[in-house]
Amino acid sequence: EIVLTQSPDILSLSPGERATLSCRASQSVTSGYLAWYQQKPGQAPRLLIYGASNRATGIPDRFRGSGSGPDFTLTITRLEPEDSAVYYCQQYDRSPLTFGQGTRLEIK
Amino acid sequence: QVQLVQSGAEVKKPGSSVKVSCKASGGTFSGYAISWVRQAPGQGLEWMGGNIFGSANYAQKFQGRVTITADESTNTGYMELGGLRSEDTAIYYCARAAYDIDYMDVWGKGTTVIVSS
Repeated sequence: EIVLTQSPDILSLSPGERATLSCRASQSVTSGYLAWYQQKPGQAPRLLIYGASNRATGIPDRFRGSGSGPDFTLTITRLEPEDSAVYYCQQYDRSPLTFGQGTRLEIK
Repeated sequence: QVQLVQSGAEVKKPGSSVKVSCKASGGTFSGYAISWVRQAPGQGLEWMGGNIFGSANYAQKFQGRVTITADESTNTGYMELGGLRSEDTAIYYCARAAYDIDYMDVWGKGTTVIVSS
């Protein structure tokens, strides 16, 4: 199975700053079949990005996905307090679907 | 906008089974897959399997213990997990996808399953 490793585990930034979250796959994820999700405490995950760089419906353009092969990045610009959450990457190139372990983003 | 409404929390004994339902409200999941993802307390997300057009695809870890079905006449999906053990204590989410191996764009709120003697 494809193992996804996210870094860093925890990221602490101030409002207005830029966050860069990484997701590295143990094998190349073909066709950019990678998604990003945001999960706030007590809530279900919310789709942010699919196809590595396509924003889901209603997601502001502060969220940008990029990357290919084994390396992908989620960039969040102009951080707001509401961006505090755990972010997960997920590959859907092949079965089984797998998720990264998550990056916790804290807004100071 | 379709919403996925899941059944309520369950408390089960070790060795028993649990069946969680997921009903599409405000739309249909006809033509879509329904996947099931679980999250143990304080842990990350784990895909269990998905079902599309009556065909299920399971993660090997759960093969033989999980059954994922869908009833298009009632717009309801089901996940049944047998041989429960304490490690199965988790929140179980259903989610909609275009294929059984795909990203998930609509999620249920989750169903808490506690396995305890």
